[in-house]
Amino acid sequence: QKEVEQNSGPLSVPEGAIASLNCTYSDRGSQSFFWYRQYSGKSPELIMFIYSNGDKEDGRFTAQLNKASQYVSLLIRDSQPSDSATYLCAAGSNKRGYQKVTFGTGTKLQVIP
Amino acid sequence: DAGVIQSPRHEVTEMGQEVTLRCKPISGHNSLFWYRQTMMRGLELLIYFNNNVPIDDSGMPEDRFSAKMPNASFSTLKIQPSEPRDSAVYFCASSIPGVVLTEQYFGPGTRLTVT
Repeated sequence: QKEVEQNSGPLSVPEGAIASLNCTYSDRGSQSFFWYRQYSGKSPELIMFIYSNGDKEDGRFTAQLNKASQYVSLLIRDSQPSDSATYLCAAGSNKRGYQKVTFGTGTKLQVIP
Repeated sequence: DAGVIQSPRHEVTEMGQEVTLRCKPISGHNSLFWYRQTMMRGLELLIYFNNNVPIDDSGMPEDRFSAKMPNASFSTLKIQPSEPRDSAVYFCASSIPGVVLTEQYFGPGTRLTVT
């Protein structure tokens, strides 16, 4: 079992729709969760991070965390063609100064104009 | 700040040659990470430094790979000898360690092709 699992996609949504990206993790010691966006040929860039159960909203993006279910999701409202990219989920912990971050393999999102 | 700087951006080499990848982290960031990304395996952590000291090198594939961080502003990843299966994009990332894990800032990556 991979430590962080994502559906590779591609996930295709029409422009203006809500895109829902999902991720599960296996390490119950994970404390921090990140969503990175990676355009083709570029490096990952942080979209959202979440530490507490529940929802966290930032503009068109909402991250959701359910630690009991070991589940993280990212919702993108009013999807735009510019949102087309691969979205990487990451789970991290910081134990006695030792940082561990594990990335999923990513979900490719295609927003169709 | 210029962000994380990596060089070279592209490297093409022949099997058996030595390859050295370079990274300059963001000033003030005490943690540095080297990752390898391929289509099949995604983003894999190779090694992680904190205050210039290697903390976790369990992701280094084999003895052909080595990494150093002689000071807070420079790190190298060396592959000797290189093999075609080492072809990948290698990213360097840096972060500020804290009580809560913080964002990692990625460099532009080095695309390595070993023929």
